[in-house]
Amino acid sequence: QSALTQPASVSGSPGQSITISCTGTSSDVGGYDYVAWYQQAPGKVPKLMIYDVSKRPSGVSSRFSGSKSGSTASLTISGLQAEDEADYYCCSFAGSSTYVFGTGTKVTVL
Amino acid sequence: EVALLESGGGVVRPGGSLRLSCAASGFTFNDYGMTWVRQVPGKGLEWVSFINWNGGSTGYGDSVKGRFTISRDDTKKSLYLQMNSLRAEDTALYHCARVIGGAIFDYWGHGTLVTVSS
Repeated sequence: QSALTQPASVSGSPGQSITISCTGTSSDVGGYDYVAWYQQAPGKVPKLMIYDVSKRPSGVSSRFSGSKSGSTASLTISGLQAEDEADYYCCSFAGSSTYVFGTGTKVTVL
Repeated sequence: EVALLESGGGVVRPGGSLRLSCAASGFTFNDYGMTWVRQVPGKGLEWVSFINWNGGSTGYGDSVKGRFTISRDDTKKSLYLQMNSLRAEDTALYHCARVIGGAIFDYWGHGTLVTVSS
């Protein structure tokens, strides 16, 4: 159960698109279509943004989208806004009732 | 409204034990799996443990396997985490969360802080 690998930081200007990668193995990201993304603002609990690789919960902006290729999942934020500045974590099912989080990515809006 | 409230955190010496609780309200508790996630302040999220809707299936992170035990009491709408042989590296804010599917943790509690220190 090694943590999934994410870039430590990603930045972009308002209106731009950014993509955060989440690299795992065939035992987690590559083995299941159960990848979720969480947004955590300072002092807040994590908020579910994407589940099942690419599905958006009700109430989450359509500017957030997810995808997966092999053992790497990605979160794309289009039309970047100041309110998107937060930490983002991917999470994958890893079999046998276990899960694994990514290392986390700090998104900065320039 | 769904609410999860953790309790039981505190300061404990290395090698000691602690039992965390998570009181659930606003939903049919025994319909859902539950999970514990911890976070060292200023650091990333670490998945700790999972229990399915009827307690028949559990899972643990490698760093806590053999030391922590997850359980639930549906009559009390409560989730528990028994933590034994605590280490300094177990120091963190422990959150409970509701699980509605693979890696889908839709509601989170605000956490209870565990500090392991001599």
